[in-house]
Amino acid sequence: DTAVSQTPKYLVTQMGNDKSIKCEQNLGHDTMYWYKQDSKKFLKIMFSYNNKELIINETVPNRFSPKSPDKAHLNLHINSLELGDSAVYFCASSRGTSDRAQYFGPGTRLLVL
Amino acid sequence: SQQGEEDPQALSIQEGENATMNCSYKTSINNLQWYRQNSGRGLVHLILIRSNEREKHSGRLRVTLDTSKKSSSLLITASRAADTASYFCATGSGAGSYQLTFGKGTKLSVIP
Repeated sequence: DTAVSQTPKYLVTQMGNDKSIKCEQNLGHDTMYWYKQDSKKFLKIMFSYNNKELIINETVPNRFSPKSPDKAHLNLHINSLELGDSAVYFCASSRGTSDRAQYFGPGTRLLVL
Repeated sequence: SQQGEEDPQALSIQEGENATMNCSYKTSINNLQWYRQNSGRGLVHLILIRSNEREKHSGRLRVTLDTSKKSSSLLITASRAADTASYFCATGSGAGSYQLTFGKGTKLSVIP
């Protein structure tokens, strides 16, 4: 009965490959997020969707493309992976706007070789 | 852009002692939240304090907010080894905003 789940948990891949990370939440929330956490633990928002509509699109290379097939899912596709993409990617969800708690998934540890 | 700055960056205390972490921010906020992250895990929401509140309690946690100084503190009383984690503050700017901006975190080590 995991609230926010992500797959895979670990992803090791070569530079130049394309990969996807999947996220699902069973909390009935209408807003979902992707964050990137670097090696210094700094957490940076990448994207947010509310009711399947993109509402936050930070300065992220266009090699990163989010897709929300429905309110419970938000996937992240990354093209032409680069060494600097190595990080932990967290999915999160919330009910509504920034005055509500966000619930985080366990993270996907991406290592680009 | 980064909003919250936690202080100290790292804190090491004995079990049973109190731990205090501070967060400063730069712009107006609607609310401030504290999260905990255990090593290798996702963030867990601890407590939310709104801009019109000054203090909030939840179990062994006490959060204060001073909007005039643009700062907040998180106090963990009677710490336990299980409190060892990184603690992040996050600010929300308004009711119409979906974005939380996180600080760099304080790494707390509680020594048994």
